[in-house]
Amino acid sequence: GENVEQHPSTLSVQEGDSAVIKCTYSDSASNYFPWYKQELGKGPQLIIDIRSNVGEKKDQRIAVTLNKTAKHFSLHITETQPEDSAVYFCAASREGYSTLTFGKGTMLLVSP
Amino acid sequence: SAVISQKPSRDICQRGTSLTIQCQVDSQVTMMFWYRQQPGQSLTLIATANQGSEATYESGFVIDKFPISRPNLTFSTLTVSNMSPEDSSIYLCSVEPQRAGSITEAFFGQGTRLTVV
Repeated sequence: GENVEQHPSTLSVQEGDSAVIKCTYSDSASNYFPWYKQELGKGPQLIIDIRSNVGEKKDQRIAVTLNKTAKHFSLHITETQPEDSAVYFCAASREGYSTLTFGKGTMLLVSP
Repeated sequence: SAVISQKPSRDICQRGTSLTIQCQVDSQVTMMFWYRQQPGQSLTLIATANQGSEATYESGFVIDKFPISRPNLTFSTLTVSNMSPEDSSIYLCSVEPQRAGSITEAFFGQGTRLTVV
């Protein structure tokens, strides 16, 4: 089955800095890669996703890159703000098989 | 998108008892999933709740411990049976409205924080 590794487990940055979270996956058939943000006491919320037919996707301060050859994908947050502080999860799945495999999560702390 | 209401949001239960968690979706969905998130850990899929048939359980999870109901396309329940402190976790309901031929994003309820004492 799929195995998703996520690094780092914790990440502390100063407000305004950039943050990068990296994930690798094992199943070469996976082609859907979402990122979720989980704030304290809440369920995970999708913030951005990418499919294997593109290498990069951007939404305002958030971007995701995908390298299918190397089987890794990354989340980039620019101009971080304190409200970006949360746990971020990467995940992977195959089109047509809807079960997501999640990474272990990254706790991002943005200091003012 | 889908709006998911999960009840209760939290509970403290005595060991040996059972708790049933409800998940209500504001639209009909084919796929409903139950996840467990142990303290400081990632999300682990417990089972897929299928409407009109038995749930499909992942390795390490069994129906006797986590019975699931799916009476219609908008509702599901997960019961945590004969609880022990090791069952203390956040339990999350998830739905995945599918477009034909592709996967859309999964939506999560706010979770049920269960503490077993």
